[in-house]
Amino acid sequence: DVQLMESGGGLVKPGGSLRLSCTASGFTFSTSNMNWVRQAPGKGPEWVSSINGRGDYVDYAESVKGRFTISRDNAQGSLYLHMNSLRAEDTAHYYCVSGLLGSGGSSWGQGTLVTVSS
Amino acid sequence: IVLTQSPGTLSLSPGERATLSCRASQSVSGDYLTWYQQKPGQAPRLLIYGASRRAAGIPDRFRGSGSGTDFTLTISRLEPEDFAVYYCQQFGMSPWTFGQGTKVEVK
Repeated sequence: DVQLMESGGGLVKPGGSLRLSCTASGFTFSTSNMNWVRQAPGKGPEWVSSINGRGDYVDYAESVKGRFTISRDNAQGSLYLHMNSLRAEDTAHYYCVSGLLGSGGSSWGQGTLVTVSS
Repeated sequence: IVLTQSPGTLSLSPGERATLSCRASQSVSGDYLTWYQQKPGQAPRLLIYGASRRAAGIPDRFRGSGSGTDFTLTISRLEPEDFAVYYCQQFGMSPWTFGQGTKVEVK
């Protein structure tokens, strides 16, 4: 079974930084696209970023471009999201999603909560 | 691509039929239209992908249909566990986008 476990969320002040991690198992991580999706309280999901299996293609939502960086360590089976210059509107549950987002083979983790507040 | 879901809330009784709409601002290949179900405190759960293909373990009372800019999720007979929020999502064109959701609540 695919297992995705996010960690690293918490309370951070505006302008601060945070690094989220996602530990993956149960599938061939190194050949899988990976994604971060977030969901603010009471809102619908929002795609944040994607990375291909080799890590040489990345894509970002306009709302996070220049502030967030997605990366992966295929040897460790881990996905990361480095978040800088955090804003109140970045407050959300952040989900790690394996596979092409929306495809039949995709799977979601349980999420980690990021709260940006002074 | 903006996805607009309607209605915002659907109030129905168990056993009734639910019809949820997802309209795209431009054409989406049916291969890239997905439906999710989300219950409070849980991650979204993949229901339908490729507009009409049920994901593993999804009962056949869930049916997806549509093409181009108009897609529909139909739940033939609502079971108590089906009351939840449903989202559509497209991945035919970056940025991948989600609809704002339809809440199916108990009448």
